[in-house]
Amino acid sequence: SQELEQSPQSLIVQEGKNLTINCTSSKTLYGLYWYKQKYGEGLIFLMMLQKGGEEKSHEKITAKLDEKKQQSSLHITASQPSHAGIYLCGADGGYGNKLVFGAGTILRVKS
Amino acid sequence: EADIYQTPRYLVIGTGKKITLECSQTMGHDKMYWYQQDPGMELHLIHYSYGVNSTEKGDLSSESTVSRIRTEHFPLTLESARPSHTSQYLCASSEVVTGGIQYFGAGTRLSVL
Repeated sequence: SQELEQSPQSLIVQEGKNLTINCTSSKTLYGLYWYKQKYGEGLIFLMMLQKGGEEKSHEKITAKLDEKKQQSSLHITASQPSHAGIYLCGADGGYGNKLVFGAGTILRVKS
Repeated sequence: EADIYQTPRYLVIGTGKKITLECSQTMGHDKMYWYQQDPGMELHLIHYSYGVNSTEKGDLSSESTVSRIRTEHFPLTLESARPSHTSQYLCASSEVVTGGIQYFGAGTRLSVL
């Protein structure tokens, strides 16, 4: 079965600093999804990547999928307190859109 | 913005009670999913449905059951709640089978005393 490993597990950054979260898959990714979750709430969709080498950006968040489609990164530029939360990567292993999720990265932004 | 709703948001209940967690979506999505998430832990798929009268068990074994009588409605039932069922339950829906974005509800936090 597919497994996703996220690093780091948690991260504390000073407001205005850049940061990167990584997601590594044990198998080739058919689709990689990034979500954000505030504690005790649902997941908010951020971005989806499907093609090797693909890169997408929304506001100050950029997500990339490597050429081999086994690793993705999420980069936040000039972090703000509103970026705080739990970031999860989810993978579609090609079996009917049943997503497998990583354990999440907890981000805290100090102002 | 996703139109998927879960009720109740919070539920505290005694052992042995029967409970139903509601999930409804107004997007007309055929695919719906239930995930379980323990505090600080990964989400695990416990049930999914590809359409009316179609339900399947997910990767994580669960004592709960689901039904899909209407496209927009995907309730989850526990016949006899136990403390081990204490968790957060998240419902999601998507438009397509592969490569589709799953939209999540706000979740139900269940505590069984």
